[in-house]
Amino acid sequence: DAGVIQSPRHEVTEMGQEVTLRCKPISGHDYLFWYRQTMMRGLELLIYFNNNVPIDDSGMPEDRFSAKMPNASFSTLKIQPSEPRDSAVYFCASSFQGGQPQHFGDGTRLSIL
Amino acid sequence: KQEVTQIPAALSVPEGENLVLNCSFTDSAIYNLQWFRQDPGKGLTSLLLIQSSQREQTSGRLNASLDKSSGRSTLYIAASQPGDSATYLCAVRPDSNYQLIWGAGTKLIIKP
Repeated sequence: DAGVIQSPRHEVTEMGQEVTLRCKPISGHDYLFWYRQTMMRGLELLIYFNNNVPIDDSGMPEDRFSAKMPNASFSTLKIQPSEPRDSAVYFCASSFQGGQPQHFGDGTRLSIL
Repeated sequence: KQEVTQIPAALSVPEGENLVLNCSFTDSAIYNLQWFRQDPGKGLTSLLLIQSSQREQTSGRLNASLDKSSGRSTLYIAASQPGDSATYLCAVRPDSNYQLIWGAGTKLIIKP
């Protein structure tokens, strides 16, 4: 079975550019989570969706960050404009029902120059 | 505010040893606790999930325990192997919502 698929795996771009990260959750999973991981702050939940509806976006750091889930098989996390401090590994995870183990993608390593 | 702490931050042991990783949390009102493994450049893999009503869970050479009253969980790895080398993270799900509160992880190295 295919796991959570994220793209791109690596992204290097200049400050001020728009960045779009993509995620395909496991088929049948109704919860989708976006995380950010840095050495300084560890893993942080940015936002999560249930049945394509954003439930809690309190972790989204600034208005420069936005996330959408237009259908059950696709979600995007967008940063516009990007800044060097946004450099991190961004993970997407999905689960069947919120209380079940979350399945993680391999992440997108984002570097903003 | 729930806080999760993992000690030690790093651990190196010879192959074959049994070992224990520790996780502590400040608020005992939790829904469940999970242990994850993270390999370099990879995402996280769920190892064990313990519901708040449970005391332990086992999977192969792994055993996780939960003591809510003392705010502690341990991950026991029996007969360690070099392939067990990874970072192990624990995460607590607070009562009431689906956000996980994460520890910083323990980086484990098993020496052949």
